[in-house]
Amino acid sequence: EAGVVQSPRYKIIEKKQPVAFWCNPISGHNTLYWYLQNLGQGPELLIRYENEEAVDDSQLPKDRFSAERLKGVDSTLKIQPAELGDSAVYLCASSFGGISYEQYFGPGTRLTVT
Amino acid sequence: AQKVTQAQTEISVVEKEDVTLDCVYETRDTTYYLFWYKQPPSGELVFLIRRNSFDEQNEISGRYSWNFQKSTSSFNFTITASQVVDSAVYFCALSEYGYGGSQGNLIFGKGTKLSVKP
Repeated sequence: EAGVVQSPRYKIIEKKQPVAFWCNPISGHNTLYWYLQNLGQGPELLIRYENEEAVDDSQLPKDRFSAERLKGVDSTLKIQPAELGDSAVYLCASSFGGISYEQYFGPGTRLTVT
Repeated sequence: AQKVTQAQTEISVVEKEDVTLDCVYETRDTTYYLFWYKQPPSGELVFLIRRNSFDEQNEISGRYSWNFQKSTSSFNFTITASQVVDSAVYFCALSEYGYGGSQGNLIFGKGTKLSVKP
């Protein structure tokens, strides 16, 4: 069974440029998560989708970050414009939903903003 | 508020030593789940174990074992006879019913970096 797929794996951009990350979850997983992981820290949730609906986006900086999950499968996370402080690893995860199911993570996208 | 504390930032052991990674959590919910994940140098988080708040039975899987104690709000992870391949960052995480849209969100600790030297 294929795992969570993310692309690109690495991205280097200049500040003020836009950037987008793509995620394809495990087939059958209705819940999709985007996390931010800074160096030496644990992942922190940015947004959670149940099917197409963003059910928790309370931690998403909406002035520059946006996300979508069309048709309840793939998802895209966008930053526009990027700032130096956005340099981090962006992780996508998926699960069957609810508090009891484990989440499966993709390899992440390492973003460097110069 | 919910919180997960992994007080050990880094641990270094020699191969074949036993090592215990500590995890202390805070929650007001009576129903919650605890998880351990491994993050090797490649970066991908790997699920290791899930434990619910009503099951305090310890679990053993090969060289891995987990000790859950509600009385001390701890969910510690022990690796017996450590190997070089165990070198990674290990994260403890909490999932609770919470309220509103936060149900099921994972709250991670800061992780413990384990280095196993040959």
